[in-house]
Amino acid sequence: GAVVSQHPSWVICKSGTSVKIECRSLDFQATTMFWYRQFPKQSLMLMATSNEGSKATYEQGVEKDKFLINHASLTLSTLTVTSAHPEDSSFYICSASGGRRRWNEQFFGPGTRLTVL
Amino acid sequence: SQQGEEDPQALSIQEGENATMNCSYKTSINNLQWYRQNSGRGLVHLILIRSNEREKHSGRLRVTLDTSKKSSSLLITASRAADTASYFCATVPTGANSKLTFGKGITLSVRP
Repeated sequence: GAVVSQHPSWVICKSGTSVKIECRSLDFQATTMFWYRQFPKQSLMLMATSNEGSKATYEQGVEKDKFLINHASLTLSTLTVTSAHPEDSSFYICSASGGRRRWNEQFFGPGTRLTVL
Repeated sequence: SQQGEEDPQALSIQEGENATMNCSYKTSINNLQWYRQNSGRGLVHLILIRSNEREKHSGRLRVTLDTSKKSSSLLITASRAADTASYFCATVPTGANSKLTFGKGITLSVRP
């Protein structure tokens, strides 16, 4: 149990376009979802925390207008990278927590590799 | 901001040897977790140790936690080539619900 999926697993896009990444909890209701970014050979940096039905809370230095997060249901959160530029190329990982037995644990998706040309 | 700091940053050992990785953190915590990440992949949760626990085992893994020193160690016994990966400690600060703060990670290479 506690499976989290991400789609797509990788995406290549042109500079200036927008890219949407989906994060789904497959077998539990995720009241909270987290979005992380990871540059090569570096650690995960938390970008934002989203609770179902409310606005996301962004970490300091993360542009909320550039990284749009929507958590419209208990099983789906989306991250949209708007007007992507090469410096946005990174590995984006989501995680989800929630449910009676899982309120304090995060379950991670497999990640999405974004390459902006 | 990152709270956990692992050491060493890179570790290379022979298959069959034990691997010990350390993590230090700065603030009081609710729990500390260790994750593994294979190259280019997502994270795999290894073990969670709560602030009132001192040691925990899971298979070949042994984790210790010393809250007075704000440090934790992960021991992998009888390492295998398949253990080659990056290992991260992550902390949940007191009062932060499930929000995780990751360390920089340790790259473990196990030579066959």
